[in-house]
Amino acid sequence: AQSVTQLGSHVSVSEGALVLLRCNYSSSVPPYLFWYVQYPNQGLQLLLKYTSAATLVKGINGFEAEFKKSETSFHLTKPSAHMSDAAEYFCAVSDRNAGNMLTFGGGTRLMVKP
Amino acid sequence: DAGVTQSPTHLIKTRGQQVTLRCSPKSGHDTVSWYQQALGQGPQFIFQYYEEEERQRGNFPDRFSGHQFPNYSSELNVNALLLGDSALYLCASSLTGFFTEAFFGQGTRLTVV
Repeated sequence: AQSVTQLGSHVSVSEGALVLLRCNYSSSVPPYLFWYVQYPNQGLQLLLKYTSAATLVKGINGFEAEFKKSETSFHLTKPSAHMSDAAEYFCAVSDRNAGNMLTFGGGTRLMVKP
Repeated sequence: DAGVTQSPTHLIKTRGQQVTLRCSPKSGHDTVSWYQQALGQGPQFIFQYYEEEERQRGNFPDRFSGHQFPNYSSELNVNALLLGDSALYLCASSLTGFFTEAFFGQGTRLTVV
């Protein structure tokens, strides 16, 4: 069975500061990992994905994430936060045995202060 | 390309009623998945349809059923609605295979009163 834990349901940063959103996963087979963003009253948009190629994955809007197998982590970072980054962020895991089924974490709400 | 479209956007139903939600996948996509997102939580997988058949199912009761049509569009049906069924229902479409990106619709907000 797969599971995802996102540490910190709410994260607050100042504009221009580093963004770090934490994600730890559990999977019995090599996983595929994803970060999605959800703006208010909208669906989910894919930020980036890891599918067993490079461990450092670059996504849209300046976000990146690093897959660390030894730590079972896939933390999301952005060097400099922008006001428009305020949203809900979800980490998700899938594996080749699960087809395209995604297992999501509980989400982290990112707040950006001016 | 309109992407994934869902209808209606909002819906209010009474406990015990039945509801049907609809999803049109992104052009060229043949697989549709449905997710339930309760307030303040991450989405939970309900089921997935491919070639008009349910291919995978999450931990949801039989009150939740679905259908996929030859044009790949899909419906989610929920019978005997409970207050706890109030949630945002998200449809995602993708191409079959390992692993292709899932594109999500805006969702249908269902409120059961």
